[in-house]
Amino acid sequence: GAVVSQHPSWVICKSGTSVKIECRSLDFQATTMFWYRQFPKQSLMLMATSNEGSKATYEQGVEKDKFLINHASLTLSTLTVTSAHPEDSSFYICSASPRDKSLYEQYFGPGTRLTVT
Amino acid sequence: GEDVEQSLFLSVREGDSSVINCTYTDSSSTYLYWYKQEPGAGLQLLTYIFSNMDMKQDQRLTVLLNKKDKHLSLRIADTQTGDSAIYFCAESRGGKLIFGQGTELSVKP
Repeated sequence: GAVVSQHPSWVICKSGTSVKIECRSLDFQATTMFWYRQFPKQSLMLMATSNEGSKATYEQGVEKDKFLINHASLTLSTLTVTSAHPEDSSFYICSASPRDKSLYEQYFGPGTRLTVT
Repeated sequence: GEDVEQSLFLSVREGDSSVINCTYTDSSSTYLYWYKQEPGAGLQLLTYIFSNMDMKQDQRLTVLLNKKDKHLSLRIADTQTGDSAIYFCAESRGGKLIFGQGTELSVKP
């Protein structure tokens, strides 16, 4: 149980285009989902916390107009990187917290590798 | 400081025990976690410990918590080549998980 999927697993896009990444909880409902960014050989940096049906809460320094987060249902959150630039290339990981559990009980997706050329 | 700190690398021989250390910052953290990340993959929860515990054992894994020193360790007994990965400790803080920078464990046959 507690499986989280991400799609796509990797994507290459041209500079200036937008890319959407999906995060799904497959066998549980998630009131809260988290989006992280990870650079090579580095830790996970929390970008934003998204709650179903409300606006996401972004961490300091994360541009909300560039990283659009939508959490339209209890099993799906999407991250759209708008007007992507090479510096947005990174590994993006989502996690989901079951609705009847602590926020700290998070299950992670396999990640999406974004390369902007 | 505000960072969760770990040593970056650890190399052991197959069959030896591995001990990965972590120093966290928030004495009010309720839970402390250990995650494993294999190359190109997401994070897998290995184990966690509640802050009122000193030790937790789960098969080959032993977690030790020293609240006074804010020190957390993960011991892997009989380390196998399949244990080679990056290990992250994380503390719970303000509704979020704060991760260390990860310890890369290399297991040599």
